[in-house]
Amino acid sequence: AQSVAQPEDQVNVAEGNPLTVKCTYSVSGNPYLFWYVQYPNRGLQFLLKYITGDNLVKGSYGFEAEFNKSQTSFHLKKPSALVSDSALYFCAVRDILVGNNDMRFGAGTRLTVKP
Amino acid sequence: DSGVTQTPKHLITATGQRVTLRCSPRSGDLSVYWYQQSLDQGLQFLIQYYNGEERAKGNILERFSAQQFPDLHSELNLSSLELGDSALYFCASSPRMEGPYEQYFGPGTRLTVT
Repeated sequence: AQSVAQPEDQVNVAEGNPLTVKCTYSVSGNPYLFWYVQYPNRGLQFLLKYITGDNLVKGSYGFEAEFNKSQTSFHLKKPSALVSDSALYFCAVRDILVGNNDMRFGAGTRLTVKP
Repeated sequence: DSGVTQTPKHLITATGQRVTLRCSPRSGDLSVYWYQQSLDQGLQFLIQYYNGEERAKGNILERFSAQQFPDLHSELNLSSLELGDSALYFCASSPRMEGPYEQYFGPGTRLTVT
């Protein structure tokens, strides 16, 4: 079985400061990992994913995420936060095992960037 | 715009009623997923279809059912509605059933049961 945890319900940062949204996962095999963002009254938008290779993945809107296999983490980061980054962020995991079509989402972390 | 469309955008109905939510996946995507998101809650996976066949079930109530048609659009049927069914319902699609494919989400249908 696979699962993902987002240990922080809420993250607050000041505009211009770096931000980190945390995610840890559990899978039987190796993971595919994803980050999504949800703005108010909108559907989820795909930000980035880790499949294999370089542990640092770059995505949309200046976001990046670092895959750490030993810590089973996939934290989302941005060097300089914008007020417009305020949204709900979801981490998701799928086990790489063939035949596994189950993607699990975390509970979400609400990011608030203050001017 | 993700390319996934959902109708209607808003739906207000009374307890005990039945509604149908519709989803059209992105062009070429064979897999469709349905999710429920209650106020300030995470996503609850309901059900997945792939090329017309049910492939996975999550926390879907027996009062809810879904299907995927030959043209790949999908419908989620909610019956005997209760106040607690009020939520955002999202449809998502992906090209394949498994593998490193992200899901593309529609804008959602906001269901209000009064």
